[in-house]
Amino acid sequence: QSALTQPRSVSGSPGQSVTISCTGTSSDVGGYNYVSWYQQHPGKAPKLMIYDVSKRPSGVPDRFSGSKSGNTASLTISGLQAEDEADYYCCSYAGSLQVFGGGTKLTVL
Amino acid sequence: EVQLVESGGGLVQPGGSLRLSCAASGFTFSSYSMNWVRQAPGKGLEWVSYISSSSSTIYYADSVKGRFTISRDNAKNSLYLQMNSLRDEDTAVYYCARARPYSDYWGQGTLVTVSS
Repeated sequence: QSALTQPRSVSGSPGQSVTISCTGTSSDVGGYNYVSWYQQHPGKAPKLMIYDVSKRPSGVPDRFSGSKSGNTASLTISGLQAEDEADYYCCSYAGSLQVFGGGTKLTVL
Repeated sequence: EVQLVESGGGLVQPGGSLRLSCAASGFTFSSYSMNWVRQAPGKGLEWVSYISSSSSTIYYADSVKGRFTISRDNAKNSLYLQMNSLRDEDTAVYYCARARPYSDYWGQGTLVTVSS
């Protein structure tokens, strides 16, 4: 099972919006509405930000939103803040497997 | 408050074995599936294994199939990962996470280093 494809890095200025893409196949992203996104700060455990493509857990700001079209899922962060600088990982259910993306480093300029 | 605390990591030689544990609290452990996820130094996340609440369904990543065994003891609120025939590439921080199947709560991780 190959990892999902994410851009290595994205950047934006405070207040701007950024979108991180996550491309898979019809066997994972495109086949199920079970895409999740995780935020990870250096030295910390990952934190769930989005699940089931577009649902936000309690406590996650509504600046974070998720969507999916075909085999590509996206995470959009609006109104960028300094504390959003972190690594972001997508993950998809794939039947008897779960597969992560390679991760995207978000830099807030 | 949901808490997951991993233990059992350490330094092991290639070909050796190690057993990781994850102690769960703050939720009804027996009602939830669990995941193990690992992260090699400076690398991304890799899903390792999944176990359903009753242990009736178990899945493994191809990279560990036949070498790792996931198990749980609902009476002890504990999750385990028995790792055999360890390789250099198994060096990573290992996280246990509550599975929905997405991972909504994570432990702080335990470092496994495979080296001679």
